[in-house]
Amino acid sequence: DVKVTQSSRYLVKRTGEKVFLECVQDMDHENMFWYRQDPGLGLRLIYFSYDVKMKEKGDIPEGYSVSREKKERFSLILESASTNQTSMYLCASSLIEAGDDPEDTQYFGPGTRLTVL
Amino acid sequence: AQKVTQAQTEISVVEKEDVTLDCVYETRDTTYYLFWYKQPPSGELVFLIRRNSFDEQNEISGRYSWNFQKSTSSFNFTITASQVVDSAVYFCALSEEDDKIIFGKGTRLHILP
Repeated sequence: DVKVTQSSRYLVKRTGEKVFLECVQDMDHENMFWYRQDPGLGLRLIYFSYDVKMKEKGDIPEGYSVSREKKERFSLILESASTNQTSMYLCASSLIEAGDDPEDTQYFGPGTRLTVL
Repeated sequence: AQKVTQAQTEISVVEKEDVTLDCVYETRDTTYYLFWYKQPPSGELVFLIRRNSFDEQNEISGRYSWNFQKSTSSFNFTITASQVVDSAVYFCALSEEDDKIIFGKGTRLHILP
């Protein structure tokens, strides 16, 4: 089974702090993704990565950066946390190309609920 | 542009009733994938199904079934004989060949005992 883990389930930080959210997958997937989920807005893509040291902006990258130094690990960084970044953050991973297997999809971690005070 | 619309924000049904969750998508590509995910109260998204654009056969898995109709750009999800454990938020999603998935805003389903 694919396993995607995130470093924390719940996190409370103060405005202006630097925040690191870590994600690790154990299935040798090339692709990794960071989303945020907010009520009424669904999941929105922040950043994604196709390979080590590669990153691409998603739909809402402002205020975030990412790091992918190893294939299995994808970090989301909030350089200076703000209250509007209070949200649920979900990490996902997938194979580089969806094949014929119907289960070629993105697999998600349990999420990190971040509160910025 | 991609777009996934789940018009039903919230649905409540009594246990054992059937319920259909609607999903309408927009894409200009001829090759694409459609997904359904379940998010129970625990928060983790659980993959339910993936369909490619060339396979319009309906899918049944236990009490779950999916109706894919390209003519109406819809990929609806039906739960038969609903159970309280089906209570969750359900997301429909669309992916083209760049591996990015665009999610709908979700439908919150309440199954009442």
